[in-house]
Amino acid sequence: GIQVEQSPPDLILQEGANSTLRCNFSDSVNNLQWFHQNPWGQLINLFYIPSGTKQNGRLSATTVATERYSLLYISSSQTTDSGVYFCAVARGNEKLTFGTGTRLTIIP
Amino acid sequence: ETGVTQTPRHLVMGMTNKKSLKCEQHLGHNAMYWYKQSAKKPLELMFVYSLEERVENNSVPSRFSPECPNSSHLFLHLHTLQPEDSALYLCASSRFRDSYNEQFFGPGTRLTVL
Repeated sequence: GIQVEQSPPDLILQEGANSTLRCNFSDSVNNLQWFHQNPWGQLINLFYIPSGTKQNGRLSATTVATERYSLLYISSSQTTDSGVYFCAVARGNEKLTFGTGTRLTIIP
Repeated sequence: ETGVTQTPRHLVMGMTNKKSLKCEQHLGHNAMYWYKQSAKKPLELMFVYSLEERVENNSVPSRFSPECPNSSHLFLHLHTLQPEDSALYLCASSRFRDSYNEQFFGPGTRLTVL
C-alpha cells in the first residue's frame, strides 16, 4: 500500500507565527486530504487537494503530485489552531491511508 | 458541523456488556465507514459500506458487528469487548466509495472498556 510520512512530528510555536507542515507519499494518488483533529477528537476537513493550490483564510495548501508531496501553510497562528494535523491519501479503490500526523501547539 | 453525527460521544462499558454506536449522515452520501483510532497509532479502517452493502472488512474481530440499514445510518454493535478495544471510534461518509471522493468525519465516540 501507499506510505505516508508527515513532518515534523511535533511543532510548538508562539501565537502569530507562521508554519509549514509537510506530507510525503510513496505513489501517485487520486485523493489527498488535510484534516485538523481538535482536542475533542473531531476531524475537520481542511482541504481536498490531490493537486494544485488552494487557500481558505489563513490556511493554504499545495500538492505537487509529480513530486509526491503536499504542504499545508498556516499563517498568523492562533491558539485554536492547536491540535493534530493529518494528511491522508488514496488511489483507485484503495482505502484512505493516514499519516501519523503533526502535533501543533500554539502558545499564547 | 460536518453533516455526520455520532452517538453517544462517550461510552464506558464492561467486558460483558453489549452496546451499539450510531452514526448518521445528512449529506446524501452513498458510502459510510467505521475507523478506529487508538493512542499513538494511525487511524485504522474497520468497515466500508457502499449503497448499504458491506464491501470491506479489514480483519476486524467478530466482537465488532456493523449494520447499515440504509444509506444514511450506520451502526457498530459491540459485545464482549476487551480493554485493548478502548479507543476513539470515528464514522465517515463520502458520496461514493472510490478514492476520488472526499470523506467527511463525525465527532467520534470515545469508548472505554473496563
